[in-house]
Amino acid sequence: AQKVTQAQTEISVVEKEDVTLDCVYETRDTTYYLFWYKQPPSGELVFLIRRNSFDEQNEISGRYSWNFQKSTSSFNFTITASQVVDSAVYFCALSEHNFNKFYFGSGTKLNVKP
Amino acid sequence: ETGVTQTPRHLVMGMTNKKSLKCEQHLGHNAMYWYKQSAKKPLELMFVYNFKEQTENNSVPSRFSPECPNSSHLFLHLHTLQPEDSALYLCASSQDLGGVGNEQFFGPGTRLTVL
Repeated sequence: AQKVTQAQTEISVVEKEDVTLDCVYETRDTTYYLFWYKQPPSGELVFLIRRNSFDEQNEISGRYSWNFQKSTSSFNFTITASQVVDSAVYFCALSEHNFNKFYFGSGTKLNVKP
Repeated sequence: ETGVTQTPRHLVMGMTNKKSLKCEQHLGHNAMYWYKQSAKKPLELMFVYNFKEQTENNSVPSRFSPECPNSSHLFLHLHTLQPEDSALYLCASSQDLGGVGNEQFFGPGTRLTVL
């Protein structure tokens, strides 16, 4: 079974639309970390956010916001008023108590059209 | 140079060649990682090094041989590869393996094509 599931393979929106990228994870650990990364066409993964399992507060950073729900094992990412520069592949990842292990989802490709 | 750098950015090699990928991090981190990213597959963690010591080998074939001479440099030596090894190879580093410093910072990757 996949540890991190990103069910949306590809999403296309028009600029200024809001878009939510889903992430569902699976772990038996009580201590874990969740991450989101952005991979633009250049290829380099860019770290966006880390959330630990004891902090369920939602976070907002500019047009980005994250909704962490332990009850549903989800860590969704919303981009408000999307822009063409947001076009990229977005990866959700999980790090369990054994921190050698990073599990990445398969990614969601976001296309923002002008 | 800042962040994590990787060379070469692109590499084409035959199945009988021997080549090496290089990664260097300028962040003062203690842990370094190799990942393989194939088309339409999740990132696959290959190797993990912490303070130059290998802590993880994720069942990687022996035709991939990592080397970590110090905390700032990581190599991936390649020999007798197969066409299915063609992929983007990403290097990453993090301050430590666990705790609050474990977010990973990635290099731009090496696009490898095996003919």
